[in-house]
Amino acid sequence: EAQVTQNPRYLITVTGKKLTVTCSQNMNHEYMSWYRQDPGLGLRQIYYSMNVEVTDKGDVPEGYKVSRKEKRNFPLILESPSPNQTSLYFCASSLEISYNEQFFGPGTRLTVL
Amino acid sequence: LAKTTQPISMDSYEGQEVNITCSHNNIATNDYITWYQQFPSQGPRFIIQGYKTKVTNEVASLFIPADRKSSTLSLPRVSLSDTAVYYCLVGAYTGRRALTFGSGTRLQVQP
Repeated sequence: EAQVTQNPRYLITVTGKKLTVTCSQNMNHEYMSWYRQDPGLGLRQIYYSMNVEVTDKGDVPEGYKVSRKEKRNFPLILESPSPNQTSLYFCASSLEISYNEQFFGPGTRLTVL
Repeated sequence: LAKTTQPISMDSYEGQEVNITCSHNNIATNDYITWYQQFPSQGPRFIIQGYKTKVTNEVASLFIPADRKSSTLSLPRVSLSDTAVYYCLVGAYTGRRALTFGSGTRLQVQP
């Protein structure tokens, strides 16, 4: 089944403790991205990647890192999480280019205490 | 980057046709118009995409006037399961620009 998977789905952590949210897609998509969703603010893009080893900042990249060493994986790294990074995170992928149909993962609900 | 404006919310009843309009006055020549649907605690799902005139699929229709400064998503005969947030996105089919979702339109379908 074609899908985007994220892990973990739920995570409660404390300020400053490094964490990684994994994202994997099995559709051989070149384009992948991360979003965060907060009440009243809609979906905001954090980082995106046009291909392996090619990443770029979205609208809200501060406090996040990403890497794209393999085509199928696009992990989101929070080196020193803070409470304002408490949010619902979505990973997405699409074939080739940015405005093609994007497939979203199920989401990761992160709480930073 | 073309900014989009949509109604914050809409109400409808089962069986009715729902039209959600998105305004994008600064749309560029190579921009496409894309609509997504999102249910609570789920990722957005692609509904339809178009460049001009009318596009129809099994789920919805998208109407784009000649000046392309607005677009209308049409959902025929909605059901309770169509209750969701609908996002209008405008952007180029190529390039490295970040994808931007607006606030969306919250559609509530009543029985």
